[in-house]
Amino acid sequence: DTAVSQTPKYLVTQMGNDKSIKCEQNLGHDTMYWYKQDSKKFLKIMFSYNNKELIINETVPNRFSPKSPDKAHLNLHINSLELGDSAVYFCASDLAGGRETQYFGPGTRLLVL
Amino acid sequence: TQLLEQSPQFLSIQEGENLTVYCNSSSVFSSLQWYRQEPGEGPVLLVTVVTGGEVKKLKRLTFQFGDARKDSSLHITAAQPGDTGLYLCAGARGGATNKLIFGTGTLLAVQP
Repeated sequence: DTAVSQTPKYLVTQMGNDKSIKCEQNLGHDTMYWYKQDSKKFLKIMFSYNNKELIINETVPNRFSPKSPDKAHLNLHINSLELGDSAVYFCASDLAGGRETQYFGPGTRLLVL
Repeated sequence: TQLLEQSPQFLSIQEGENLTVYCNSSSVFSSLQWYRQEPGEGPVLLVTVVTGGEVKKLKRLTFQFGDARKDSSLHITAAQPGDTGLYLCAGARGGATNKLIFGTGTLLAVQP
C-alpha cells in the first residue's frame, strides 16, 4: 500500500508552460507539505496545509499555487515555468502537533527546458 | 534563516569502517530528526531525538542530540554497502506547524 503518492514521477516541459503535480496520502494525516530539493540535494519547505488550510507559506514565487481539495490531497500548480524551477518536488504528510514523523512521497522530477 | 550545517558533505569509505556525520546549528530545536534518502526515493525517517544529551541506537547506528539541543551526530559502526545514501538531519521547532529545517546533507558511499 502506498502511503504518500505523487504524480507524475517525471515531468519534462518547456519554459513558460503551466503544469500541476498531484499528491495523495492514505495515512489519515491532517497536515501535508510541499518541499523542493535542488541539484545540491538541499531540501526546503515550500508550503504546508492543515485540514485544507494553508499554515506555512515560505518565500516562494506566486507562480506556485498549492491547492488542497481535502485533507488527503495537496496539489501544486506552477505557472509560467522557468529554468530555475527544475528540481525534485516532494510531498509529505504527518499528524500535526510537533514531534510526529513526516512521511515523504517518491518525488516528482521536474525538468524545464 | 536557521541553518543546519552537516559535515562532511561527501564521504566514501570501505565496508567495515566506522564513520560519524555531524549536524550543527546556532539555533535551538525542540527535536531533531535524521533521515536517509536513497536515489530516486523520498527521505525516510531513521530516528527522532528530543532531549538534550539523548543517545539513541538503531542497530549499527548511534544518534546523539547535543546538550544544548543545537547539534547532533550520527555514528555508523562497521558500515555496509546498504548504508549508502544521502543522510539528512532536520530540526523542528515543534508546535502545530511542525516546520522542519533540513540540513545541508551528507552523501555517503560505502564501497564493498
